[in-house]
Amino acid sequence: NAGVTQTPKFQVLKTGQSMTLQCAQDMNHNSMYWYRQDPGMGLRLIYYSASEGTTDKGEVPNGYNVSRLNKREFSLRLESAAPSQTSVYFCASSEGYGGLYEQYFGPGTRLTVT
Amino acid sequence: QKEVEQNSGPLSVPEGAIASLNCTYSDRVSQSFFWYRQYSGKSPELIMSIYSNGDKEDGRFTAQLNKASQYVSLLIRDSQPSDSATYLCAVCPGTASKLTFGTGTRLQVTL
Repeated sequence: NAGVTQTPKFQVLKTGQSMTLQCAQDMNHNSMYWYRQDPGMGLRLIYYSASEGTTDKGEVPNGYNVSRLNKREFSLRLESAAPSQTSVYFCASSEGYGGLYEQYFGPGTRLTVT
Repeated sequence: QKEVEQNSGPLSVPEGAIASLNCTYSDRVSQSFFWYRQYSGKSPELIMSIYSNGDKEDGRFTAQLNKASQYVSLLIRDSQPSDSATYLCAVCPGTASKLTFGTGTRLQVTL
């Protein structure tokens, strides 16, 4: 039981390049989330999927797109990377959506945009 | 005012002592509260959740919630060097809402 997995672990992009961050969970959770973590800013929600087939914007969605591929997988796409997107990206999942449900995090992707 | 506030630290406590980590929040209707531990370079790991006023104990950890005063705290008894990490407080204003995270308190447990 791997929990939440993310690929890749590290990535360096040049400004303007695109990439997709992959996330998968094997806990049969309904809800999945993408966060970014920057020094002094805490974890900020980019997008979330409350259930399979739905996605919604979080606090900082600009420059990102997401796809809930199936119940297990939730991907985050950067169409044209910018240096401001240099960050650590975490995927999380929970049994259901909202405050009654605990969120469990993946190991993260460290992205640098030059 | 930030929605969730934590002292960034570092909070330094000797091994075996009680570490007390505090978190205040601004939204009076907040319903759910979570403590995560994050080691340097790693992902947040859930320690405890608390939903009702009072104390909730789990091993060496005790979460305390006071909704009237809008604060939640985490006590770590018999602190160990392995407890040295950043502790994140997360608050959810309602049952169908998103978590808001504090920036974390760095704890150092010294030998």
